[in-house]
Amino acid sequence: DVKVTQSSRYLVKRTGEKVFLECVQDMDHENMFWYRQDPGLGLRLIYFSYDVKMKEKGDIPEGYSVSREKKERFSLILESASTNQTSMYLCASSSGSGWVEQYFGPGTRLTVT
Amino acid sequence: GQNIDQPTEMTATEGAIVQINCTYQTSGFNGLFWYQQHAGEAPTFLSYNVLDGLEEKGRFSSFLSRSKGYSYLLLKELQMKDSASYLCAVRVSESGGSYIPTFGRGTSLIVHP
Repeated sequence: DVKVTQSSRYLVKRTGEKVFLECVQDMDHENMFWYRQDPGLGLRLIYFSYDVKMKEKGDIPEGYSVSREKKERFSLILESASTNQTSMYLCASSSGSGWVEQYFGPGTRLTVT
Repeated sequence: GQNIDQPTEMTATEGAIVQINCTYQTSGFNGLFWYQQHAGEAPTFLSYNVLDGLEEKGRFSSFLSRSKGYSYLLLKELQMKDSASYLCAVRVSESGGSYIPTFGRGTSLIVHP
């Protein structure tokens, strides 16, 4: 079974803090994705990576950065957390250049106060 | 940009059939996906269509018409456990050769006894 894990299920941070969200997959997938999910807005792509050290901006990259130093790990960084970044963050991975299925992690509920 | 529309909410009766529609306007279309997401859980993959026509998988079927920018997910013999959010997503090919997913806002399906 493909397993995608995220470092925390719930996280509370203060405005201005630097926040790291970690995602690890155990199936040697090339592609990894970070989304945020908000009520009424659905899943929105923040960043994705199709290879180690590669990254591409999604629809809403502002205020976020990412790091992929190892194939199995994809980190999302909030450089200076703001209250409008309070959200559910979901990581996903998929295999190959013509990927079909994305496997999602359980999500991290981030609250910025 | 990409535009994906699906109804916000639908209700149906246990044992019945329900059809969830999805329309999209994209450039570089390269496939359409349906995901199921139960409350508080991660999305899970249901189906994939890249060519026109119907794909059947047990009680679930998905249809695609590329010329109309239209898809539907058909759920037969509804069960209470089918109460969930159903996410329509498209994959588009970018000039750099990568594939980008875009999700609709999801349809919340409520199944009544």
